[in-house]
Amino acid sequence: AQKITQTQPGMFVQEKEAVTLDCTYDTSDPSYGLFWYKQPSSGEMIFLIYQGSYDQQNATEGRYSLNFQKARKSANLVISASQLGDSAMYFCAMGVGGYNKLIFGAGTRLAVHP
Amino acid sequence: DAGITQSPRYKITETGRQVTLMCHQTWSHSYMFWYRQDLGHGLRLIYYSAAADITDKGEVPDGYVVSRSKTENFPLTLESATRSQTSVYFCASTSGGVGTEAFFGQGTRLTVV
Repeated sequence: AQKITQTQPGMFVQEKEAVTLDCTYDTSDPSYGLFWYKQPSSGEMIFLIYQGSYDQQNATEGRYSLNFQKARKSANLVISASQLGDSAMYFCAMGVGGYNKLIFGAGTRLAVHP
Repeated sequence: DAGITQSPRYKITETGRQVTLMCHQTWSHSYMFWYRQDLGHGLRLIYYSAAADITDKGEVPDGYVVSRSKTENFPLTLESATRSQTSVYFCASTSGGVGTEAFFGQGTRLTVV
């Protein structure tokens, strides 16, 4: 079965510090993509970063990086130098079936403290 | 305006009523999706469409109907609303290429009383 697991319902971090949000996935398909989305309190879904199953290097987008460990089936999101505006819900998702259907984890709520 | 828009943003309806949530995108994306978001479940796929007149069931399709007569529109209908369908509904679209992100609408908060 294809599944995304986020084991941290809530996390908090001090401003300017780094934080890692965990994500593990399960699929038997050799071709897949892993996505992270941010959902602030306003409710919209904001795309952050993508990692393809065949990508050799970990993806980075500004302060976001994806720690992809294929053997462990993990795709953790690392946010460096946290800002107050990073406080939000974060969802890990896996794209299957030609990357068209996304399977989401339950999400992790991140609180950044000043 | 370019993008993906959902309407209405908020809706309260009574049990047993039919209600339709609208979704419109201006990118001519082939793929469109409906998700529902409930606490503790993340987003779960209700229905998706690969092109006009092609739709398929997702993880939680029971009680919902979709249609896609035009590429840009993908309405979701609750034929006889139940309280368990109280949720936030998101429409999304993607061009479907490798690694392409899905773009989401603002969401519709539906309450069934």
